[in-house]
Amino acid sequence: QQQVKQSPQSLIVQKGGISIINCAYENTAFDYFPWYQQFPGKGPALLIAIRPDVSEKKEGRFTISFNKSAKQFSLHIMDSQPGDSATYFCAASDSNTGTASKLTFGTGTRLQVTL
Amino acid sequence: DSGVTQTPKHLITATGQRVTLRCSPRSGDLSVYWYQQSLDQGLQFLIQYYNGEERAKGNILERFSAQQFPDLHSELNLSSLELGDSALYFCASSGGVNSEAFFGQGTRLTVV
Repeated sequence: QQQVKQSPQSLIVQKGGISIINCAYENTAFDYFPWYQQFPGKGPALLIAIRPDVSEKKEGRFTISFNKSAKQFSLHIMDSQPGDSATYFCAASDSNTGTASKLTFGTGTRLQVTL
Repeated sequence: DSGVTQTPKHLITATGQRVTLRCSPRSGDLSVYWYQQSLDQGLQFLIQYYNGEERAKGNILERFSAQQFPDLHSELNLSSLELGDSALYFCASSGGVNSEAFFGQGTRLTVV
């Protein structure tokens, strides 16, 4: 099965700190790597996404780093805030099949930002 | 609010029964995706429809089926329900086959 492995399972970070979540994939056909944020009782919401032609993408406090040769990508949340406390999912898909949102998800990371 | 509407929000039913989950995509979106989220399996892709036609299939059980209607809303039918089918079922929609997908708030199905 084509998997996306995500770590850590849970993360506690102090307010103002940096949260780092890592993912690794196996399928070299994957070319679209989004990160989703999910609050309890809500559906996943797209945070930021990257394609393999760049090694880093930044949007506000959120940065994706991508290492194509290692088949790894990570999410960095700078200046973490209590409002960032949520579950984060990495995902991957092969957009060449015309199904960019047929996503393979990681297992999720529950982030808690403490005061 | 993502613009994707799912009904009902909660559903409790008995084993062996059949239920229908409904999804209204964002206005103009042609693609609809169904996902299942459970504690042991995580978020798993079930099936995709694009403009009324099945586009991709994932780990969808034979007891489950879906369709997309001419007005682009979609229904996921779950039959012969088992306790293990208890999960959150999400619908997502996108404007094209390779566009960003927006998720609804999900239907929580409890099979007792």
